[in-house]
Amino acid sequence: EDQVTQSPEALRLQEGESSSLNCSYTVSGLRGLFWYRQDPGKGPEFLFTLYSAGEEKEKERLKATLTKKESFLHITAPKPEDSATYLCAVQGGRGGKLQFGAGTQVVVTP
Amino acid sequence: KAGVTQTPRYLIKTRGQQVTLSCSPISGHRSVSWYQQTPGQGLQFLFEYFSETQRNKGNFPGRFSGRQFSNSRSEMNVSTLELGDSALYLCASSRTLDKDTQYFGPGTRLTVL
Repeated sequence: EDQVTQSPEALRLQEGESSSLNCSYTVSGLRGLFWYRQDPGKGPEFLFTLYSAGEEKEKERLKATLTKKESFLHITAPKPEDSATYLCAVQGGRGGKLQFGAGTQVVVTP
Repeated sequence: KAGVTQTPRYLIKTRGQQVTLSCSPISGHRSVSWYQQTPGQGLQFLFEYFSETQRNKGNFPGRFSGRQFSNSRSEMNVSTLELGDSALYLCASSRTLDKDTQYFGPGTRLTVL
């Protein structure tokens, strides 16, 4: 069965203090790894899709990387508006089903 | 381009009732998936539809059902509601099933009393 584990569960950062979130996974035949951010009471907002080991994607202060066993989401010089829960999901096997991790709750203080 | 829309946004029901939630995907998207999100279990996959056919189903009881119409709009139904069904129900759409990004709607917050 596909499994996704995210760490840490929660992260408190000072504005400008860079850090990384981890997503480790076991899946038979990875077809895609997805990062989303979710604000309280809202639906997940798409950030990145990664398909193969070695792939990297960047968007503003965020950078996602992928290896054969894990993915990292690097937050560089975060701002308070980066506060959110970051979710990692994998797609493997048949169909489009996403298996989600529990998320990392990030709080950035001024 | 309009995003995924879900109606209603909030719903309060009592145990034993049934409920129908609606989802309109992004224009051009033919796949719709449903997820349940609770504080304890996180995001759990319910089912997915493509071209009006259910392609995959999660580990939920038969009280949870869904369907997709020819215009790709989808509905999910929960019968005989239980307190534990209180959750945020999320719909996501994508162009296809395989290796395609799913875009989520705002969700329907269901409270069962």
